[in-house]
Amino acid sequence: KQEVTQIPAALSVPEGENLVLNCSFTDSAIYNLQWFRQDPGKGLTSLLLIQSSQREQTSGRLNASLDKSSGRSTLYIAASQPGDSATYLCAVWSGNTGKLIFGQGTTLQVKP
Amino acid sequence: GAGVSQSPRYKVAKRGQDVALRCDPISGHVSLFWYQQALGQGPEFLTYFQNEAQLDKSGLPSDRFFAERPEGSVSTLKIQRTQQEDSAVYLCASSPRSSLLTDTQYFGPGTRLTVL
Repeated sequence: KQEVTQIPAALSVPEGENLVLNCSFTDSAIYNLQWFRQDPGKGLTSLLLIQSSQREQTSGRLNASLDKSSGRSTLYIAASQPGDSATYLCAVWSGNTGKLIFGQGTTLQVKP
Repeated sequence: GAGVSQSPRYKVAKRGQDVALRCDPISGHVSLFWYQQALGQGPEFLTYFQNEAQLDKSGLPSDRFFAERPEGSVSTLKIQRTQQEDSAVYLCASSPRSSLLTDTQYFGPGTRLTVL
């Protein structure tokens, strides 16, 4: 059974720091991995989607990497800003289940 | 353009009541998903529609949960005889095509259900 774990559960950093969020998954048979952002009381916004054949994707200050063989992904946020404060969710499209499996999220607070 | 909308945004029900949650996907989107998100957890898959066909309902937790999308656009998630463990945020998402492996999903704001 595919399981997705995100560490840490919560993170607080001062504005301007570069930071890394971690995601691990137990079954390497995935089609893609996505990173989402969730603001309080709101739905999820897709940030980056990495196909299983890709190693990384970049969008602005965000960079996501994927190492399928080791079952890991990282989301790198450069020069963090208070507006980056949100919960970040990692999800894999699992080949065995044919559906998106989410981690529990990392709640990020960027202090001004 | 308009995103995915859900109504009501908040619902309080007494234990044993039936509830109906509505999802309006992005116009023209083929695929529609329902997820359940408990407090402090990631969303968990409930069911998936391609147009009006419910292709996967393996995530529905019990036979008290029922979803439909009769005309291939608006979808309703119905929960009968609500229980306290049904309290959660129910998220709806849509994607433009049936090629699920490459399309991202667009999420609505969710309906927060509280069962007293």
